[in-house]
Formats: sequence, structure tokens, C-alpha cells
Amino acid sequence: ETGVTQSPTHLIKTRGQQVTLRCSSQSGHNTVSWYQQALGQGPQFIFQYYREEENGRGNFPPRFSGLQFPNYSSELNVNALELDDSALYLCASSPLGLAGGSEQYFGPGTRLTVT
Amino acid sequence: AQSVSQHNHHVILSEAASLELGCNYSYGGTVNLFWYVQYPGQHLQLLLKYFSGDPLVKGIKGFEAEFIKSKFSFNLRKPSVQWSDTAEYFCAVNGADSNYQLIWGAGTKLIIKP
Repeated sequence: ETGVTQSPTHLIKTRGQQVTLRCSSQSGHNTVSWYQQALGQGPQFIFQYYREEENGRGNFPPRFSGLQFPNYSSELNVNALELDDSALYLCASSPLGLAGGSEQYFGPGTRLTVT
Repeated sequence: AQSVSQHNHHVILSEAASLELGCNYSYGGTVNLFWYVQYPGQHLQLLLKYFSGDPLVKGIKGFEAEFIKSKFSFNLRKPSVQWSDTAEYFCAVNGADSNYQLIWGAGTKLIIKP
């Protein structure tokens, strides 16, 4: 069974640029959640996708957007990058929607640095 | 506002010592509670979870946690730690009031001295 994978592992971008991060969910999982983890902090929920629809969003501005594809893989797009966007971006998949509190399986993360 | 507080950011113990990591939450309504662990160089993984029933929950690798509703706490315990328990530990909560979004504590870095 393949776990959650993310690409790229590391990324350096300049303020104002746009970035796309990718996530492949674990086999059989139809729900993907994205989190931002700043240094020394716990993850912050960005949004969740369930069967290709956004199904919950945290306190992040609209320049954070996402997609989920028919194979349940997902992308996180961030426009107009700011220095504070520098963080570890985590993707997690689960076999059900968040309702019921199903367990989430995490990928290794993408380390984004904005200069 | 919904929040999770982990009291200790860094804990250093010797092998065989007992461990208790504190977690308190502020949340209205029914909650689900989780402890996740991140070993050096590895992904976040679930240690244990509480949804309902027995408030004493047992997880992997000898860890357990007790849900005390009156204290809004979900402390993590292990009677005798090993060097391999060196990791960062995160407490998280969700529920219907937050549309089941996971709300995380800041984490506790645990270092076990051999």
C-alpha cells in the first residue's frame, strides 16, 4: 500500500510569485486535507477536499486555493507569495470525510521558503 | 475561540523515566481527541485517539491518554520511556463545532537521554 506522497520536497520562491504543491493520497482515500506548519508551531488547517469539492476551509486568504482530481490527488496553489508563507506544507488523506473524526495519514511535507 | 494548549514545549528525560505530556483544549460541544507523533525524519503519525467510550485510551508503543472532560484535558502518558521515544508530540482536537477541522497544539519536543 502506497502512503501519502508530496512533491516537491523543498522549494524556494520569491515574494510575489505563485507556487503549486502536489499530493497523492493513500490508495482508497477520497479525502485530502492541507495544513501549513510554521517553524515551532503546530499545523494550521488550510482546507479539505472531498470527492473533488472543497469541504471545509480554515482561516486562510483566497490566494490559497486548491484542486482535487478524479484520482483523489490534490494540488495546493498559493498566489502572490509573502514572506510569512514560508512553512512546511502538509497533506493528509483519509478514507472518509472529516465528519466522524476519521484518522488522517500524513505525507512528508513540502518545505517552502519565500525570499 | 477553539484552541489546544500543550504546556511544555521541550521535555528532557532519562530512559526508564515516566512521561506525562499535558494537553488542554478550549472547545464547545462534543470533541474527538488525538495525539500524533513525529519521529526525526519521519511523517506525522497517529499515536492514539479518543472518540467516545472509555476515557482511558491505549495507543501504540505503550502510550496511553486519559480524557478528563471536567478538566478539558487529554494528557499523554507512558510509564517507562525509551531512547526511541525521542520525537515531537502533537495534541489535536476536532468536532462538529469546527466542521471537524483538526485544531492543533504547538507540539512538545521530547528528548530521551540514553
